[in-house]
Amino acid sequence: NAGVMQNPRHLVRRRGQEARLRCSPMKGHSHVYWYRQLPEEGLKFMVYLQKENIIDESGMPKERFSAEFPKEGPSILRIQQVVRGDSAAYFCASSPETMNTEAFFGQGTRLTVV
Amino acid sequence: RKEVEQDPGPFNVPEGATVAFNCTYSNSASQSFFWYRQDCRKEPKLLMSVYSSGNEDGRFTAQLNRASQYISLLIRDSKLSDSATYLCVVGNDMRFGAGTRLTVKP
Repeated sequence: NAGVMQNPRHLVRRRGQEARLRCSPMKGHSHVYWYRQLPEEGLKFMVYLQKENIIDESGMPKERFSAEFPKEGPSILRIQQVVRGDSAAYFCASSPETMNTEAFFGQGTRLTVV
Repeated sequence: RKEVEQDPGPFNVPEGATVAFNCTYSNSASQSFFWYRQDCRKEPKLLMSVYSSGNEDGRFTAQLNRASQYISLLIRDSKLSDSATYLCVVGNDMRFGAGTRLTVKP
């Protein structure tokens, strides 16, 4: 039973390009959470999704960032026209449908904007 | 007021010491509480869930105080390997505190 899989592990983009980060949740998990972590800082909540639905996107920047979790396939976090300030580690976590259960994390994608 | 607040530390303690962290939360309706551990540049991993009655796992004890809206983590007999950042998590929407950094020194 594979854990949460994120890819790529490392991503380098030039300013103005698009970054697409993928997250495959654990088998049987229908909840996905995305977080951003800047160096020496804590995890900042970005978005909470269930299959085909965005439940809470209050942590997402209003521009350039979007997330989806389609019926089939991984969850995608998309950053358009990246800027240097987008450089960070992006973690996703998944949890099952059951209430009050912990979430499991992927190893993260480290985005570097040059 | 932030949804989840933690003292960022750092906490520097000698081996064998007892150390405690608190985490306050703003949503009184929250039902889920966890402590996670994050090592440098790695993903967070679940340390323990926090139950209403309090719970213990070896050297680690977690407690919930609903009236004052905080959870706590107590680590007894600290080991060098306990050095990490400890993150509290509140709610089904998994809101993390900023983390408390612990360094255990010989």
